[in-house]
Amino acid sequence: GESVGLHLPTLSVQEGDNSIINCAYSNSASDYFIWYKQESGKGPQFIIDIRSNMDKRQGQRVTVLLNKTVKHLSLQIAATQPGDSAVYFCAEGAWMDSSYKLIFGSGTRLLVRP
Amino acid sequence: GAVVSQHPSRVICKSGTSVKIECRSLDFQATTMFWYRQFPKQSLMLMATSNEGSKATYEQGVEKDKFLINHASLTLSTLTVTSAHPEDSSFYICSASRQAGDEQFFGPGTRLTVL
Repeated sequence: GESVGLHLPTLSVQEGDNSIINCAYSNSASDYFIWYKQESGKGPQFIIDIRSNMDKRQGQRVTVLLNKTVKHLSLQIAATQPGDSAVYFCAEGAWMDSSYKLIFGSGTRLLVRP
Repeated sequence: GAVVSQHPSRVICKSGTSVKIECRSLDFQATTMFWYRQFPKQSLMLMATSNEGSKATYEQGVEKDKFLINHASLTLSTLTVTSAHPEDSSFYICSASRQAGDEQFFGPGTRLTVL
């Protein structure tokens, strides 16, 4: 989850396999977590979110797991499809300086092999 | 519902000129809007938080005199990059929330290229 330079970690998976993308967050006061998908040249697209009082949430083909003990968040995508190829960002939300802000992780590029 | 637009989608300008980017919430009123900057292959970095009718709050390291933000109505925030230089070339993304602490809805981004 630390911001790095010009290199995005890449996860390459076979179409139909499951994908797991991980994220470490830093602020123990964060109470809301979101996964976004970003395609080239576009804004972030909401995928799924989870509040800090939960440890798992499921959507359609996606599951988010939250481990507050180790400040770890994961996104699981079932039966990965070519259309899932994109960069995925986690974001943590918290009140900071009297505003509710989102802090984004460094991102993971998902490549789906046909 | 909850659609956010940005205009222009891409802009190319000469060094030293100023560029204005608009962010609009199309089907809801946003008391809070946010501006992010994203360099190639990097994450979104929050630049500033904009509340309707008040001055924007800038993140550490972001020059408020260079990046002028105006949130004059509940559906419009503007970011003006003054005296743009090539290092300001980036992807600028806005988001909008109905109320502080609510879900943020993101715009499609504006690609700025400064020659």
